[in-house]
Amino acid sequence: AQKVTQAQTEISVVEKEDVTLDCVYETRDTTYYLFWYKQPPSGELVFLIRRNSFDEQNEISGRYSWNFQKSTSSFNFTITASQVVDSAVYFCALSDAEDTGRRALTFGSGTRLQVQP
Amino acid sequence: KAGVTQTPRYLIKTRGQQVTLSCSPISGHRSVSWYQQTPGQGLQFLFEYFSETQRNKGNFPGRFSGRQFSNSRSEMNVSTLELGDSALYLCASSEEQGARSEEQYFGPGTRLTVT
Repeated sequence: AQKVTQAQTEISVVEKEDVTLDCVYETRDTTYYLFWYKQPPSGELVFLIRRNSFDEQNEISGRYSWNFQKSTSSFNFTITASQVVDSAVYFCALSDAEDTGRRALTFGSGTRLQVQP
Repeated sequence: KAGVTQTPRYLIKTRGQQVTLSCSPISGHRSVSWYQQTPGQGLQFLFEYFSETQRNKGNFPGRFSGRQFSNSRSEMNVSTLELGDSALYLCASSEEQGARSEEQYFGPGTRLTVT
């Protein structure tokens, strides 16, 4: 069975601080996808990134960066120079990559990030 | 392209009633998935439809059902509502082929309150 753990329930930072959101996953699949989604107060889940299990390169997109380490089953997300608009709940998710019919996302419990001005 | 749309956005029902929620995927997306989000259980997968067929189903009772139409629009139905069905129901769509086929894009959700 797949499992995603986000141990940090809530994080509070002051604007311009860097913050890292942790994600640890469990799966027996050899190929899989990892995702991060953002859920602002409006409720809609916003897609941020997808990572294939074969691709362990870190990725940077503006102030966002992701560190994928297969050896520790972790896919951590860092926001550099945080802004108030980054305040949201962030979800890490996992899905099977081999079977199209098993693309259901398994989500972590989410980390609520509050960025104070 | 327009995003995933869900109607209605808010709904209040009474225990024992049934409810139907609607989802229109992004144009060109043929797969539609449904998720339930509650404070206690978090985000849980309900089911996925592709080409009008249910392709995958989560661990929910038979009171939860869905369908997909030929234009890829989907509906989900919950019968004999229970208080515990109060939740945010999220619909997601994805392309069936191509480099981004596994990326799911979510709608704003329908918040169902059962009293």
